[in-house]
Amino acid sequence: DAKTTQPNSMESNEEEPVHLPCNHSTISGTDYIHWYRQLPSQGPEYVIHGLTSNVNNRMASLAIAEDRKSSTLILHRATLRDAAVYYCILRETLRNSGNTPLVFGKGTRLSVIA
Amino acid sequence: GAGVSQSPSNKVTEKGKDVELRCDPISGHTALYWYRQRLGQGLEFLIYFQGNSAPDKSGLPSDRFSAERTGESVSTLTIQRTQQEDSAVYLCASSFQAGGIDTQYFGPGTRLTVL
Repeated sequence: DAKTTQPNSMESNEEEPVHLPCNHSTISGTDYIHWYRQLPSQGPEYVIHGLTSNVNNRMASLAIAEDRKSSTLILHRATLRDAAVYYCILRETLRNSGNTPLVFGKGTRLSVIA
Repeated sequence: GAGVSQSPSNKVTEKGKDVELRCDPISGHTALYWYRQRLGQGLEFLIYFQGNSAPDKSGLPSDRFSAERTGESVSTLTIQRTQQEDSAVYLCASSFQAGGIDTQYFGPGTRLTVL
């Protein structure tokens, strides 16, 4: 899986939007962009994924650059419960690769201030 | 519905003892993964099972580590002759394929402490 680069940490005030960036300049045409997060003392949980178009779900939005070399996870209103480590992960479509384990980098530790 | 469950939640053992960690995946999920997370570190892949295919054991750190899976259900990770460096949280995840994507659902983990 291609490598991603994320800031080590970010801070946000409660109830404000948060934009978590991810660079993936070596992304291939068949790589999906996945985001997972890990709350303190819990296993990781899926947040969102996308390929080319921007995506929205109940947890977050994913904005993908036109050249796909970067993406941004958007939390529209941060809450204290959103404090976690956020991981941006590239995965080739299973049609090409079959099931593969997730390759976790260091992620971005998000702190939310009340 | 029920998520991925793991047992025990905590395990303290003495160096040199064997331990067994259990994972109950979500029903119907064909793939099952084991990861390890040392304190303050990221997740390391250990092994995964996909249906009836031979498991991918490429992440196992030594021959003291092994895992089994019964059909598409329960999996057991066994660590023989535990060492202090085996202390970590062991996480299990299961997934199914849909539209070329598999979303992994993680259990709460088993925290292993080797004294």
